[in-house]
Amino acid sequence: GQNIDQPTEMTATEGAIVQINCTYQTSGFNGLFWYQQHAGEAPTFLSYNVLDGLEEKGRFSSFLSRSKGYSYLLLKELQMKDSASYLCAVRSNYGGSQGNLIFGKGTKLSVKP
Amino acid sequence: KAGVTQTPRYLIKTRGQQVTLSCSPISGHRSVSWYQQTPGQGLQFLFEYFSETQRNKGNFPGRFSGRQFSNSRSEMNVSTLELGDSALYLCASSFEGANLYTQYFGPGTRLTVL
Repeated sequence: GQNIDQPTEMTATEGAIVQINCTYQTSGFNGLFWYQQHAGEAPTFLSYNVLDGLEEKGRFSSFLSRSKGYSYLLLKELQMKDSASYLCAVRSNYGGSQGNLIFGKGTKLSVKP
Repeated sequence: KAGVTQTPRYLIKTRGQQVTLSCSPISGHRSVSWYQQTPGQGLQFLFEYFSETQRNKGNFPGRFSGRQFSNSRSEMNVSTLELGDSALYLCASSFEGANLYTQYFGPGTRLTVL
């Protein structure tokens, strides 16, 4: 089966660091994506991992362990504008579903002053 | 470069009607994928079109269909609307096939079925 789990909600303080975890079980794996989605807006691409390890992009970093079916998104120096939902998505390479993204339900992050 | 655009942004329909949504990909992108987003199910894949051909299809009934034109613009159609079809419909484009390239999302069309 296909399953992606991430926490439903998280709260953090402005200026702090927060880690959003994602575990997955999918038929086939061809990369893991993180998207940010503000309420009422389109998901915007944050990061992509296909090999194990850490990818850093400014205040955002994403980690992948394929053997553990695990990823996390790390947000540093949190700002109020980081309050949003963070979506973990796995790209399948299985049979007729190649290319489509399988999404978790998203983690709603609230940044408090 | 302009992003993915979707029209209309909001739509209200009644049960039994049909609806057509439109998506224009980023210039130069040839693949368009459609997703349905609801609070209960999250984002779910509908189908992907590449070079005017449907490449992949998710687990949705045949009432959901789509097509892609030679300029890569895509439309999706939902016939015989049901209350449960109320959702945000997102399209995403990628440079070539979605199996190889990052997908970029449009702002979505919010469909309400009464």
